[in-house]
Amino acid sequence: AQSVTQLGSHVSVSEGALVLLRCNYSSSVPPYLFWYVQYPNQGLQLLLKYTSAATLVKGINGFEAEFKKSETSFHLTKPSAHMSDAAEYFCAVSPTGGAQKLVFGQGTRLTINP
Amino acid sequence: ETGVTQTPRHLVMGMTNKKSLKCEQHLGHNAMYWYKQSAKKPLELMFVYSLEERVENNSVPSRFSPECPNSSHLFLHLHTLQPEDSALYLCASSHEAGETYNEQFFGPGTRLTVL
Repeated sequence: AQSVTQLGSHVSVSEGALVLLRCNYSSSVPPYLFWYVQYPNQGLQLLLKYTSAATLVKGINGFEAEFKKSETSFHLTKPSAHMSDAAEYFCAVSPTGGAQKLVFGQGTRLTINP
Repeated sequence: ETGVTQTPRHLVMGMTNKKSLKCEQHLGHNAMYWYKQSAKKPLELMFVYSLEERVENNSVPSRFSPECPNSSHLFLHLHTLQPEDSALYLCASSHEAGETYNEQFFGPGTRLTVL
């Protein structure tokens, strides 16, 4: 069975500071990994995905994530936070080939302080 | 309309009511999903339809009844719900082609409150 753990349900950073949102996964097969963002009163939007190609994945809005198999991690980073980054972020895992079964983490709410 | 739309956006219902949530995708996809998003819980997959056939039912109570009349529309029929069913219900769609993963596109959700 696959699972995702997001460390920290709430992260707060200052505008312009580094954003680091942590995600660890458990999977018996090489996984596909994803980060989604949810702005208030909206659905989820895909930020980036890892599908066994390059381990460093670049996404939208300046976010990137690095797949580290040895650490079973897929942490999300952004060098400089912007006020518009305030949202809830979800890490998700899916087995390769089993395209439909996304398993989500519990989410991390990111707050940006001016 | 573009993307995935959901109606209504907000719904308040009593435990004895019957209501339906509607989802429509304008992306030409062939798979659709219902998710439940409760406070302080991970997003839960409820149902998956692929080519209009249900392929996943994650032990969802029978008071939730999905319907997929065609590849563009998905309904969630609700009856005799409980207060703990209050949540944000999200619909998503994707294009499934064999073993290739394709992104799921989400609608804005229906905020359901059961009194």
